[in-house]
Amino acid sequence: SAVISQKPSRDICQRGTSLTIQCQVDSQVTMMFWYRQQPGQSLTLIATANQGSEATYESGFVIDKFPISRPNLTFSTLTVSNMSPEDSSIYLCSVEQRSTNYNEQFFGPGTRLTVL
Amino acid sequence: SQKIEQNSEALNIQEGKTATLTCNYTNYSPAYLQWYRQDPGRGPVFLLLIRENEKEKRKERLKVTFDTTLKQSLFHITASQPADSATYLCALGDGNNRKLIWGLGTSLGVNP
Repeated sequence: SAVISQKPSRDICQRGTSLTIQCQVDSQVTMMFWYRQQPGQSLTLIATANQGSEATYESGFVIDKFPISRPNLTFSTLTVSNMSPEDSSIYLCSVEQRSTNYNEQFFGPGTRLTVL
Repeated sequence: SQKIEQNSEALNIQEGKTATLTCNYTNYSPAYLQWYRQDPGRGPVFLLLIRENEKEKRKERLKVTFDTTLKQSLFHITASQPADSATYLCALGDGNNRKLIWGLGTSLGVNP
């Protein structure tokens, strides 16, 4: 199974600033995803990070607010731009690995973001 | 719109008993359903997948059922242990893309 690390594990940021979250995988993967998990809410997919092309964003999420990079098959970044307190959340990256379990996803430990 | 409902109340049971968690969905025809476990401060961890043409799947002390008529999945943990205490999430996929739709999760507490 894939091992995923995220940096930073947590951060406290001021309103109006930006934070870049890194996701590193120990093997090459095709599909990488970025999720948000707000208190009391289910996991919400922000975007699919595509290697070599622009990310595919879900309804309600835009590139200007959440720019994503995917320079290779083992690494991706998510930037939360011009932050407001409403962006306080846990941000998770995940990857899909084809195995005997169709579409099984492996998650990183998450980045807990607090915006003051 | 698509909707997934899991037991909203936390479930507390005695060690050794069987825990049963529910996942109901509406306005959706999933090709498969997955169950994940999430501990505080950690990302979800995959447990089991069951496809639409499967009625039941087992893995050690875990059992999942899938009733596409009732639009419901049940997740059972037999001989529960305090270490099973966590939040359990169900997620549905339609098989046409790689996106999953997630439930809110049910918190399970197993008392020694």
